[in-house]
Amino acid sequence: DAGVTQSPTHLIKTRGQQVTLRCSPISGHKSVSWYQQVLGQGPQFIFQYYEKEERGRGNFPDRFSARQFPNYSSELNVNALLLGDSALYLCASSKTGTNTGELFFGEGSRLTVL
Amino acid sequence: AQKVTQAQTEISVVEKEDVTLDCVYETRDTTYYLFWYKQPPSGELVFLIRRNSFDEQNEISGRYSWNFQKSTSSFNFTITASQVVDSAVYFCALSNNAGNNRKLIWGLGTSLAVNP
Repeated sequence: DAGVTQSPTHLIKTRGQQVTLRCSPISGHKSVSWYQQVLGQGPQFIFQYYEKEERGRGNFPDRFSARQFPNYSSELNVNALLLGDSALYLCASSKTGTNTGELFFGEGSRLTVL
Repeated sequence: AQKVTQAQTEISVVEKEDVTLDCVYETRDTTYYLFWYKQPPSGELVFLIRRNSFDEQNEISGRYSWNFQKSTSSFNFTITASQVVDSAVYFCALSNNAGNNRKLIWGLGTSLAVNP
């Protein structure tokens, strides 16, 4: 069975541009969470979606938005990119909408903002 | 406030040595979950273990063992007879059940280097 897949794996953008990151969860998983991981730090929670509804939002500005589609895949959008948005963006899927179970992570999308 | 502290930023050991990674947490919840994840150079976080706050039994899985002590708010991870393949960043995380904001709170990670 395929694991969590993310695309693109690497991308380079310039300040002020917009980026869309994509995530396909494990088949049967209805929850997708997005995390930002800056080099040398732990993941920071951005969003969680379950059954196409937003279940949680971290402390990120409104430039960050996300959505979940009927097939449970998800997109993370970041507008007006700043240098500080450079990070590894991780998508995680799980069967339920709680945070008590195992999360399955993709390999991430590494975003560099110049 | 909820918080996870991994005081060891980097650890370097020689293969076959035992190594313990420390994790201290803070929470006001009476029910919570603790996790350990491994992040190899590929970047993908790999689940290792989950513990709920009512189960203080230590757990052993092969060369890995975990020591959960509520009295000291610690959830330490020991690798016995370390191997080069154990080299990775290890994260401890705590569940946050505040309202609808279901998220994990992560420590900064401990980078483990196992040298041959």
